[in-house]
Amino acid sequence: QVQLQESGPGLVKPSETLSLTCTVSGGSINSYYWSWMRQPPGKGLEWIGYIYSSGSTNYNSSLKSRVTISVDTSKNQFSLKLSSVTAADTAVYYCARLYLAASYYFDYWGQGTLVTVSS
Amino acid sequence: SYELTQPPLVSVSPGQTASITCSGDKLGDTYACWYQQKPGQSPVLVIYQDNKRPSGIPERFSGSNSGNTATLTISGTQALDEADYYCQAWDSNSVVFGGGTKLTVL
Repeated sequence: QVQLQESGPGLVKPSETLSLTCTVSGGSINSYYWSWMRQPPGKGLEWIGYIYSSGSTNYNSSLKSRVTISVDTSKNQFSLKLSSVTAADTAVYYCARLYLAASYYFDYWGQGTLVTVSS
Repeated sequence: SYELTQPPLVSVSPGQTASITCSGDKLGDTYACWYQQKPGQSPVLVIYQDNKRPSGIPERFSGSNSGNTATLTISGTQALDEADYYCQAWDSNSVVFGGGTKLTVL
C-alpha cells in the first residue's frame, strides 16, 4: 500500500519561501506522476502542480511564477517550493499520486500539513 | 481557464438518493472523477473514469458523465456519507477541481 507523508515548517513568514517535502513509502516513486494540492481553511481544493519521476513538470498557471516542484528518486521524495508567500497562501498542503494514463485522478493522498503564513 | 461548477449544498434524507452535479464546457468529452472529504481528513477517491469505483468504495456510489454535466449518485444515503464532495477533470494538461459540494444527511 502506497503511503505519502508531507513534512516541513508549519509557519512561514510573509515574503519568504514555503518548502515542503513528500516522502513516498510502500512503492517506488519511479514511473509515476506526483502532485501537490492545497486547501485554504474552510475552502475548496486547489491544484498546484505535478512532476513525473523523470523531472518533467506542469504547474497551475495562477501559481506558476512562484512554484517549483522537484523530485529526488534516490530518497523516494518530491518537494514543493512556493516563493514570496502571503497570508493567502495559508492552507493545508497535500501531496498525492496522480494516475495519468487513460484517465486522470489522484489515487493516494498524504494526510496534509497546515502551513500558516504569518509574521 | 477551464471551470467546473458544483452546487454548494445538497441535502438528502437517510435512505434516499443524493445526486451531486458538476458542470463544465463539454465535460462529457473527458473523464471526470469524484472525491469525498470528511472534516479533518484527506480526500478519498470514490469514482474515477466517470463511473468506476475504487476497491473498497460501496456500491451505493455511482457516477455518470455526458454533455456538460457529470453526476455523482449516492443510493440509499447513510449518515456516514455526510461530507464534502469534489469533482475533478483534466484540461490542457492541467488538473481542475470543482468548488465542492457539502452533502448533508438529515
